[in-house]
Amino acid sequence: GENVEQHPSTLSVQEGDSAVIKCTYSDSASNYFPWYKQELGKRPQLIIDIRSNVGEKKDQRIAVTLNKTAKHFSLHITETQPEDSAVYFCAASKGNFNKFYFGSGTKLNVKP
Amino acid sequence: NAGVTQTPKFQVLKTGQSMTLQCAQDMNHEYMSWYRQDPGMGLRLIHYSVGAGITDQGEVPNGYNVSRSTTEDFPLRLLSAAPSQTSVYFCASSYGGRELVTQYFGPGTRLLVL
Repeated sequence: GENVEQHPSTLSVQEGDSAVIKCTYSDSASNYFPWYKQELGKRPQLIIDIRSNVGEKKDQRIAVTLNKTAKHFSLHITETQPEDSAVYFCAASKGNFNKFYFGSGTKLNVKP
Repeated sequence: NAGVTQTPKFQVLKTGQSMTLQCAQDMNHEYMSWYRQDPGMGLRLIHYSVGAGITDQGEVPNGYNVSRSTTEDFPLRLLSAAPSQTSVYFCASSYGGRELVTQYFGPGTRLLVL
C-alpha cells in the first residue's frame, strides 16, 4: 500500500514568518494530495489540495507544490498568524479516491 | 444540512465489551470511511464504503466490522473491545468519483477501553 511520511513533526515560527511542511509518498500511482488542518479537539478540515497534473496551487497565504518525479509535496504558509496554530496533515490517494493515506501530522505553533 | 454526525461523543468500555459507533451523513455522499487517530500516527483507515451494500477493508481493519445498508448510515462495530482500540474515531464522507473528492469529517468519537 501507500506510505506517506511527513516532516517535521513540530514546527515553531514567529508571527509573520513562513512555514513549510513536507510530505513524501511511495506509490507513484497516487494522484491526489489534500492537506488538512486540525485544531485541538476538532475535526480535520480540508485547506488545500492538488492533483498530479498540476505542479503548484495557491490560495491566499497557502500554497502547495508537487514534485511527481521525487514523489514529494509541500505546504507553504506565508505571513503566519496565531490562528494558523494547529496540526496539519497531508494525505495521498489514487484512482477513484476512495482510500486516503495520511501523514503523521505536523504541530505548527505560531508565536505572537 | 447537518453534514456528518457521529454518536456518541465519548465512550468508556471495559475489555471484552461490544459497541457500535454511529455515523450518518445527509449530503447524499456515496463514499464513507472510518479512521482512527492515535497520537503521532495521523489518521489510519479502518474500513470504507463506495456505496450502499459495498464495504472494504482499509489499513487497520482487525477487530472492527462495518455494514452499509443505506447511503446515509455507516456504523462501526467493535465486537470485543481491547485497550489497543483506545483512540479517537472519525467518520468521513465524500461524493466519490474523480471530481468531487473532498472528504468531510464528522466531529469524532473518543473511545477509552479499560
